[in-house]
Amino acid sequence: DVKVTQSSRYLVKRTGEKVFLECVQDMDHENMFWYRQDPGLGLRLIYFSYDVKMKEKGDIPEGYSVSREKKERFSLILESASTNQTSMYLCAHRTGVGNQPQHFGDGTRLSIL
Amino acid sequence: GQNIDQPTEMTATEGAIVQINCTYQTSGFNGLFWYQQHAGEAPTFLSYNVLDGLEEKGRFSSFLSRSKGYSYLLLKELQMKDSASYLCAVRAEFSGGYNKLIFGAGTRLAVHP
Repeated sequence: DVKVTQSSRYLVKRTGEKVFLECVQDMDHENMFWYRQDPGLGLRLIYFSYDVKMKEKGDIPEGYSVSREKKERFSLILESASTNQTSMYLCAHRTGVGNQPQHFGDGTRLSIL
Repeated sequence: GQNIDQPTEMTATEGAIVQINCTYQTSGFNGLFWYQQHAGEAPTFLSYNVLDGLEEKGRFSSFLSRSKGYSYLLLKELQMKDSASYLCAVRAEFSGGYNKLIFGAGTRLAVHP
């Protein structure tokens, strides 16, 4: 069974804090992704990585950075959290081969106060 | 630009058939995915179409017409557990040779007894 684990289901942080969201997959997949999901907007891609130490900007990278030091772990970093970053954050991964689907974690609901 | 449209909400009766439409305007089209997402849970993969036509998988079928930029998800013999959001996502190739998923906002389906 495909498994992707996000470190927290719910997180509350304050404006200006540096926030780390962790994602771990056990499938040895090359590609990993971070999305945010907001009502009426669907999932929007923040960053993705196709290999260790590699990263590419998605559609809304501003205010975020990422780290991929090991193949199984992809971290999303909010450098200085702001209230407009309150959202549901979803991590996903997929194999680099063919047209395989992305597999998602359960998400982290992040509130910035 | 990239645009994906699907209805915001639909209701249906247990045992009935429902069709959820998705229209898209994207460049670099490279396939279309449907995901199911129950409230508070991860999106889970339902189907994938890259060629025109119908793909059937048990009670669920998905159709694609690339020339019309149109897909639908057909759910038969509806059950209460089918109450969920259904996400249409287009896989598109962009600069650098990467592929990414572009999601619609999702269709929230409520199944009533």
